[in-house]
Amino acid sequence: NAGVTQTPKFQVLKTGQSMTLQCAQDMNHNSMYWYRQDPGMGLRLIYYSASEGTTDKGEVPNGYNVSRLNKREFSLRLESAAPSQTSVYFCASSEGGGNYGYTFGSGTRLTVV
Amino acid sequence: EDQVTQSPEALRLQEGESSSLNCSYTVSGLRGLFWYRQDPGKGPEFLLTLYSAGEEKEKERLKATLTKKESFLHITAPKPEDSATYLCAVRKTFHDYKLSFGAGTTVTVRA
Repeated sequence: NAGVTQTPKFQVLKTGQSMTLQCAQDMNHNSMYWYRQDPGMGLRLIYYSASEGTTDKGEVPNGYNVSRLNKREFSLRLESAAPSQTSVYFCASSEGGGNYGYTFGSGTRLTVV
Repeated sequence: EDQVTQSPEALRLQEGESSSLNCSYTVSGLRGLFWYRQDPGKGPEFLLTLYSAGEEKEKERLKATLTKKESFLHITAPKPEDSATYLCAVRKTFHDYKLSFGAGTTVTVRA
């Protein structure tokens, strides 16, 4: 079982460039999430999708957009990258709400120069 | 403001030396406290969930307890393979899908 797959694993962007982070899960989970992880700050929720066809803002949504393409896929887009968006991005999925714990992907390390 | 604080930031243990990690929270109306393990360069891995004060759960050498203000993760007789960053997270309502994470405690176990 692949679980949650994120691509790419590493990316370097110039300020102002755009890119899309891809996430796919094969566990038939309803809910999917995007978090960013910065040193000393813990994981912070960017956006989440409780079920196919719905998306909601998390704690730090500014500068990001998301698309729940289907039940398996949930993408995160940076329209105009800024150095403050340098971080490690994690996608996660869960069976229901958070009751059952999240399954995380292995992350995308993004550097904006 | 809801907060999740973990201490200590780092913990160095000798193999077999048991110790505890702390996760304190100020969330009003807790509806679940979650513990995760994260290895370098990988995503967090779910360990266990606690729901009510007084609850205890075990997973291998780990034992987690919960009070109204904090949770402890006790590592019994740790081995080098227990070296990782341990994260705790809280959920405020059953209908809220969001988890709020602490910054983690990095545990290093020396052989």
